[in-house]
Amino acid sequence: AQKVTQAQTEISVVEKEDVTLDCVYETRDTTYYLFWYKQPPSGELVFLIRRNSFDEQNEISGRYSWNFQKSTSSFNFTITASQVVDSAVYFCALSPVNGNKLVFGAGTILRVKS
Amino acid sequence: GAGVSQSPSNKVTEKGKDVELRCDPISGHTALYWYRQSLGQGLEFLIYFQGNSAPDKSGLPSDRFSAERTGGSVSTLTIQRTQQEDSAVYLCASSLARVSYGYTFGSGTRLTVV
Repeated sequence: AQKVTQAQTEISVVEKEDVTLDCVYETRDTTYYLFWYKQPPSGELVFLIRRNSFDEQNEISGRYSWNFQKSTSSFNFTITASQVVDSAVYFCALSPVNGNKLVFGAGTILRVKS
Repeated sequence: GAGVSQSPSNKVTEKGKDVELRCDPISGHTALYWYRQSLGQGLEFLIYFQGNSAPDKSGLPSDRFSAERTGGSVSTLTIQRTQQEDSAVYLCASSLARVSYGYTFGSGTRLTVV
């Protein structure tokens, strides 16, 4: 069975602070994909990143960076210099390579205060 | 279209009535998924379509739930004899192929059963 755990239910930070959202997953598959999605107050889920299990390179996109560590089954997401517009619910998700569905974590609510 | 379109955006219905939720995926996307997001329950997979067939219906919570897809495009999720526990946001997503490509979500239909 696959499982994604986002232990942080809610995080509050002040603008310009860095924040890391944790994601730990469980799977018996040797190859799989990991994802992060953002859900702003408007409700629509916005795709942020997809990572292959065989590619452990960290990735940076602007203020966003992702740290994938297969040894600890973690795929953490860091926002540098957070902004109020980053306030949203962030979901981590997992899928087998040949799978037909994503298994989501419970989500982390991020509140960035000005 | 440019994105995944869902209608209605909000639906209030009386307990025991049937409801139909519609999803119009991105043109050319062969894969279509329905998810349910309940308060405190996270994102729950319901059903997956590849073209017009539904190879994975494992997430449908009861036989009151059904879905169809016609012409490899529009999908309708039907809930018969609605119950209060059916209240949730129903999200539709589409993808070029399988979920491993990452998929695009619609804004959802918020269903309230009173």
